[in-house]
Amino acid sequence: DAGITQSPRYKITETGRQVTLMCHQTWSHSYMFWYRQDLGHGLRLIYYSAAADITDKGEVPDGYVVSRSKTENFPLTLESATRSQTSVYFCASSNPSGANVLTFGAGSRLTVL
Amino acid sequence: AQSVTQLGSHVSVSEGALVLLRCNYSSSVPPYLFWYVQYPNQGLQLLLKYTSAATLVKGINGFEAEFKKSETSFHLTKPSAHMSDAAEYFCAVSGQGSGTYKYIFGTGTRLKVLA
Repeated sequence: DAGITQSPRYKITETGRQVTLMCHQTWSHSYMFWYRQDLGHGLRLIYYSAAADITDKGEVPDGYVVSRSKTENFPLTLESATRSQTSVYFCASSNPSGANVLTFGAGSRLTVL
Repeated sequence: AQSVTQLGSHVSVSEGALVLLRCNYSSSVPPYLFWYVQYPNQGLQLLLKYTSAATLVKGINGFEAEFKKSETSFHLTKPSAHMSDAAEYFCAVSGQGSGTYKYIFGTGTRLKVLA
């Protein structure tokens, strides 16, 4: 399917567990992003990637790890989940010739107990 | 540094009434400005964007926004609200050019449309 897909859509985990959220896009967009959405904070950038093997921190990177070995995939890993990481996570991608327009996935709702 | 302020976290309008969602920005470089809409349990979708061409920008679903540099504003309007417009709306700013992809989002405005 064309587009940007996130998995899982819903995840419940326990404090201290490792969790990986997957993001896959089919447009070959060079830029990919991870945001978290929390009430009262809007969207905050966790990490972004300009191309395969190039990643950089955003506004709230602590506790998260990313990798980008292939252009189309940009997984986000919580190495040891904490309750403060309960949130809705959005992956997005962008084309350099597309005037910085972001295309978003449907989101992954993570609950850390 | 860039920032975005959306005035009003919740806005209610009657069906058929004018929709006005306010957004003010600050940017040390010429900005690109965006409005995104989020329907329940979905990701954000682009509504419209300003990229230094016409200051009045028309988007999807009858929405438009006007870039006013002197007021550092980019307010979103729609002449007549429909029930289907009920959603959360986000204003965002980024720098211009392919190397400036860090967006700053506002905290969002939830629009409620009353029958």
